[in-house]
Amino acid sequence: DIQMTQSPSSLSASVGDRVTITCRASQAIAGSLAWYQQKPGKVPKPLIYAASALQSGVPSRFSGSGSETDYTLTISSLQPEDVATYYCQDYKGASRSFGRGTKVEIK
Amino acid sequence: EVHLVETGGGLIQPGGSLILSCAASGFTVSSNHMSWVRQAPGTGLEWVSVLYSDGNIVYADSVKGRFTISRDSSKNTLYLQVNSLRAEDTAVYYCVTDVGFFDSWGQGTVVTVSS
Repeated sequence: DIQMTQSPSSLSASVGDRVTITCRASQAIAGSLAWYQQKPGKVPKPLIYAASALQSGVPSRFSGSGSETDYTLTISSLQPEDVATYYCQDYKGASRSFGRGTKVEIK
Repeated sequence: EVHLVETGGGLIQPGGSLILSCAASGFTVSSNHMSWVRQAPGTGLEWVSVLYSDGNIVYADSVKGRFTISRDSSKNTLYLQVNSLRAEDTAVYYCVTDVGFFDSWGQGTVVTVSS
């Protein structure tokens, strides 16, 4: 099974800051990676798929990059409404593993 | 518009069984890949099982042999039979459309395993 290692587990940043979250797969996943946002008490929402494709309706301040085993979610200018936990997920073949999540707070 | 509504959760004793249902509208369940994803209280997301449109099924190791995923085309509904429940199965269970990643989610149904 593919293991997804996500870091950091939490972060605190100021409004307007650039925020980066990383996810490392235990083997190459050929860009088969998605990012989700889960706000407190809400259902997870997909933000990015295929490592860098923005889901419809997602603000352009969110972006994804990476290849092989290393992937990154970037929020270019953190907004108060971005307070949430973010998860990565691989989907290479039959594998569907989530990272442990990154809790993002406003400083 | 895709709409997923899960039902069937509740309080169940260890060793018990439940059938979770996911009624779908706006698309055809049998023509799409469908998964169940769960989230234990205060923790992260865990994928549970996928039922492919061709009928193939894959389970997470943590539920293999205890959970069974199925669908009823006439009702456009996805199911998850959960048997031999353990305390660690306590979670919100989400029904999701599966295109590799999970693009549509239901609101979830809560399963609590406790004596």
